[in-house]
Amino acid sequence: GENVEQHPSTLSVQEGDSAVIKCTYSDSASNYFPWYKQELGKGPQLIIDIRSNVGEKKDQRIAVTLNKTAKHFSLHITETQPEDSAVYFCAASSNDYKLSFGAGTTVTVRA
Amino acid sequence: DTEVTQTPKHLVMGMTNKKSLKCEQHMGHRAMYWYKQKAKKPPELMFVYSYEKLSINESVPSRFSPECPNSSLLNLHLHALQPEDSALYLCASSQDRGSHYQPQHFGDGTRLSIL
Repeated sequence: GENVEQHPSTLSVQEGDSAVIKCTYSDSASNYFPWYKQELGKGPQLIIDIRSNVGEKKDQRIAVTLNKTAKHFSLHITETQPEDSAVYFCAASSNDYKLSFGAGTTVTVRA
Repeated sequence: DTEVTQTPKHLVMGMTNKKSLKCEQHMGHRAMYWYKQKAKKPPELMFVYSYEKLSINESVPSRFSPECPNSSLLNLHLHALQPEDSALYLCASSQDRGSHYQPQHFGDGTRLSIL
């Protein structure tokens, strides 16, 4: 099955700096890559996703890049704010329903 | 606010009790999911319903019994749970369009504690 590795496990950044989280996947058939943000006491919230026919996607301060050849994808958050503090999960999927999640990255934005 | 609503938010039950978790969505999604999430871990898929029919059961113990009474509702019936079943139980939903993957949207979960 699919194996997704996520790094780093924790990330502390100064407010206003950028944050980058990286994931690698093993199944070359994976074609959908969502990113979820989970705040304390909440469920995972989809923040951005990318499909295999696209190399990069941006939504305001958030961007995701995908390198299918190398089987890795990354989340970039620019101009970080305290409300960006959360756990972030990457995921990959090659079929209709199953998401393979990374282990998560705890992001702390220091004021 | 999430568009997937789960009740109750918290549940404490003994190992001999029977209880149910409920999930509701009104986005017209035809696929619904149950996940289990332990602290500091990613969600683990338990069940998938597609058009009110059970599509995937990830070898979940029979003490967890899912039910999908209609396209908007999903229940998880609990009976004779073990302490290791204490976790956050998440419901999610998505459009169901065959081979074209659709994003899953999660509720805020039910925090379950087994005494």
